[in-house]
Amino acid sequence: DAGVIQSPRHEVTEMGQEVTLRCKPISGHNSLFWYRQTMMRGLELLIYFNNNVPIDDSGMPEDRFSAKMPNASFSTLKIQPSEPRDSAVYFCASSTGAGRAENEQFFGPGTRLTVL
Amino acid sequence: QKEVEQNSGPLSVPEGAIASLNCTYSDRGSQSFFWYRQYSGKSPELIMFIYSNGDKEDGRFTAQLNKASQYVSLLIRDSQPSDSATYLCASRGSNYKLTFGKGTLLTVNP
Repeated sequence: DAGVIQSPRHEVTEMGQEVTLRCKPISGHNSLFWYRQTMMRGLELLIYFNNNVPIDDSGMPEDRFSAKMPNASFSTLKIQPSEPRDSAVYFCASSTGAGRAENEQFFGPGTRLTVL
Repeated sequence: QKEVEQNSGPLSVPEGAIASLNCTYSDRGSQSFFWYRQYSGKSPELIMFIYSNGDKEDGRFTAQLNKASQYVSLLIRDSQPSDSATYLCASRGSNYKLTFGKGTLLTVNP
């Protein structure tokens, strides 16, 4: 299995531009998570999908952030308009289920976003 | 606010020594605990999870949980330079959500 796939791996954009991050979870996994990691705040959960349905988006920082999961094999995280404080590494993770300790979350390689 | 606290380090140990990484959590409702390893520029990968009080061993790694003290630790025996990484502690309550600490940077010196 290829693992969780994210694209792009690096993104440099200017303030005010729209940014779209993409994720392909591991086949057969029904839970998908978007995280953001910064030095100041560490690793934070932004949103969680189960069976393609958003279950908890309380971690999404503001309305500029939106996420979709149109099918079991694809999810997007969009920032519009982007701001310099959005600069971070964004990870996507998937698991076979979220409710049991044994259901390991597998992380993708991340997208390093820089907003100038 | 549910929090997981870790010393940021760096924790420096010589090769072959025992590295001890510690973590405290604020939410008494937390039920399971996870240790992730993250190499610089890479994604986190799960090392161990624990949900019962006491010790859990897996190879050179031992996770320890004390729910009364709200304390979790990870011991790495016979530390190797390849163990040099940031170690993230995470807790989870009755739902799915993982709350991560900011991590402890471990350096194992040859």
